[in-house]
Amino acid sequence: QKEVEQDPGPLSVPEGAIVSLNCTYSNSAFQYFMWYRQYSRKGPELLMYTYSSGNKEDGRFTAQVDKSSKYISLFIRDSQPSDSATYLCAMIRRGFQKLVFGTGTRLLVSP
Amino acid sequence: EAGVAQSPRYKIIEKRQSVAFWCNPISGHATLYWYQQILGQGPKLLIQFQNNGVVDDSQLPKDRFSAERLKGVDSTLKIQPAKLEDSAVYLCASSLGWEGSPLHFGNGTRLTVT
Repeated sequence: QKEVEQDPGPLSVPEGAIVSLNCTYSNSAFQYFMWYRQYSRKGPELLMYTYSSGNKEDGRFTAQVDKSSKYISLFIRDSQPSDSATYLCAMIRRGFQKLVFGTGTRLLVSP
Repeated sequence: EAGVAQSPRYKIIEKRQSVAFWCNPISGHATLYWYQQILGQGPKLLIQFQNNGVVDDSQLPKDRFSAERLKGVDSTLKIQPAKLEDSAVYLCASSLGWEGSPLHFGNGTRLTVT
């Protein structure tokens, strides 16, 4: 079993839709949670950073962490074609600096 | 703030040849990472440096891969000899180095082994 599970997609939505991306994890020691966006032929770009449980909002993006369920989510409101990319969840264990990634979910937003 | 710089962007080699990648991290970042990303997968850590010392190289295939970080700044990753399964994107990242600090990535080097 992988430490971090993520549906690879692709997830296809029309412009303006609300997108929900999710990851589950198995190790309760994960304490720091991130979402990265990766465009084709580019490196991952940090999108959201959350410490422990709770919600964080930044513009059209909302990140949620539920440590009791070992489940994290990223919501994108009013999705745009420019949001088409691969979204990678990633997390770091308490006491460490190593980032562990999910597989990534490919999102396609059509005009 | 300048980002993480990597070169070359693309490299095509034949199996059994050698190749080297270079990385310049964000100024002031103590920790440097090399990740391997195979098509359709998430990045996998190969090696982590704290300043110029190795913190984690547990997933580095040491019979063919080597890495160094001179003077705690730039780093090179070398593969010798390359295998077909080494075809991937090699990503360099850096962070400030405190627990949980987010990583910032370069655009990677895409390696194709034929």
